[in-house]
Amino acid sequence: DVKVTQSSRYLVKRTGEKVFLECVQDMDHENMFWYRQDPGLGLRLIYFSYDVKMKEKGDIPEGYSVSREKKERFSLILESASTNQTSMYLCASSLPQGTDQPQHFGDGTRLSIL
Amino acid sequence: SQQGEEDPQALSIQEGENATMNCSYKTSINNLQWYRQNSGRGLVHLILIRSNEREKHSGRLRVTLDTSKKSSSLLITASRAADTASYFCATGPTGTASKLTFGTGTRLQVTL
Repeated sequence: DVKVTQSSRYLVKRTGEKVFLECVQDMDHENMFWYRQDPGLGLRLIYFSYDVKMKEKGDIPEGYSVSREKKERFSLILESASTNQTSMYLCASSLPQGTDQPQHFGDGTRLSIL
Repeated sequence: SQQGEEDPQALSIQEGENATMNCSYKTSINNLQWYRQNSGRGLVHLILIRSNEREKHSGRLRVTLDTSKKSSSLLITASRAADTASYFCATGPTGTASKLTFGTGTRLQVTL
């Protein structure tokens, strides 16, 4: 079974801090994704990566950056955290054959910015 | 912008009844997927239906796709309390590699 592991289930940070959310997958998937999930808004794509050191902006990249130095690890960075970035963050991975592949999700990180 | 919109937003049924959730979308798609999310957990893939398919089954799940109406439905038969979760549709638009667009979800409550 594919396992996608997010480093923290819960995280509390302060406004202005630089925040790192880590995600590791163990199935050698090329694609990795970061979403945020807010009530009434569903999942929104922040960034995705289709290969090491490759990244593309999703629908809401503002205030975020990402890093993919190794195939199994995809990091989401909040450069200067703000209260409107309080949310549930979900990481996912998938095989590369276009969109015809399911995405496999981690259990999420519930991030609170105070 | 959200591609998929689920209907209803919330559904409460008794164990043993069938649950039907609907998803509408706006643009052409390669496929449509359904996911389930238990409270406080990540999403789990349930079933994928391609744009050239009309119906697909997996255990107690039945998915239909009507590309002319840009809509899909997920039917869970003989529901169980353990089916209590949120259900999301996700569309893979044509011409866009790898990205999925998720709807806002249907929250299903199955009571004993």
